[in-house]
Amino acid sequence: DAMVIQNPRYQVTQFGKPVTLSCSQTLNHNVMYWYQQKSSQAPKLLFHYYDKDFNNEADTPDNFQSRRPNTSFCFLDIRSPGLGDAAMYLCATSRTRSDGSYNEQFFGPGTRLTVL
Amino acid sequence: LAKTTQPISMDSYEGQEVNITCSHNNIATNDYITWYQQFPSQGPRFIIQGYKTKVTNEVASLFIPADRKSSTLSLPRVSLSDTAVYYCLVGDPPDFNKFYFGSGTKLNVKP
Repeated sequence: DAMVIQNPRYQVTQFGKPVTLSCSQTLNHNVMYWYQQKSSQAPKLLFHYYDKDFNNEADTPDNFQSRRPNTSFCFLDIRSPGLGDAAMYLCATSRTRSDGSYNEQFFGPGTRLTVL
Repeated sequence: LAKTTQPISMDSYEGQEVNITCSHNNIATNDYITWYQQFPSQGPRFIIQGYKTKVTNEVASLFIPADRKSSTLSLPRVSLSDTAVYYCLVGDPPDFNKFYFGSGTKLNVKP
C-alpha cells in the first residue's frame, strides 16, 4: 500500500546533540510537510516543500532545518535540540491539482522525540 | 491567514449522530475545506473534503452553506472508537499548499 513512513518512531537524544528524523513516501506526491505537535496541542507547521522549493514558516526556529534530496524522501534536522523541542514530529504529503489547489494530506505515524 | 474556529470539546453517546461545526470566515474563493481525525500518538487521518454544498463518503458527511464561511462535519451513529480530536483545515492563500491546524474539537463518545 502507498504510504508515508517515518523513522524512527521514537527517538531519544541529549540536550544539544544533533538529531535527524526521516520521512519517505510511496505516493509520489509533490508536496511534503513537517509539523511539530506538542502534548495536547494541534500540529504546528514548521515548513513544507513544493516540489524542490523550500518554504519556511516565519516562526520556525533556525535550529530546525530540512532537506529533500528527491521526491520520496524528506529529512528534519534539529541542530541543537533543547528540552522545549520534545514533541511528536509529523510528516505529511499532498498532491497539487492542476488548478493549483490541493488534495488532502496524508500523514505518517509520527516520530516522538525525547530530549534528555 | 485563513483561520478556523471550532468548539474545544463535545460529548456524545454511542449510536448518536454528531455534528461538529467549524467557522472559517476568511475562506478564499479557491479554497477547499478538509477535515481530519486524530487519535492519541497517531498522525491525523483524512476524513472528508469539500468545496460547497454537501459531500458524503462512507464515514461522514460534510455540509457547506452557500457563503462557505462555515462547515459542519456529520458523523452518523458514532461508536466509542470515534473518540478522537477532529480538525477542520482551510488553505492559506495565495499558497494553497499551506495549512494551519486550529485547536480542533475533542469528541468524547460515551457508552
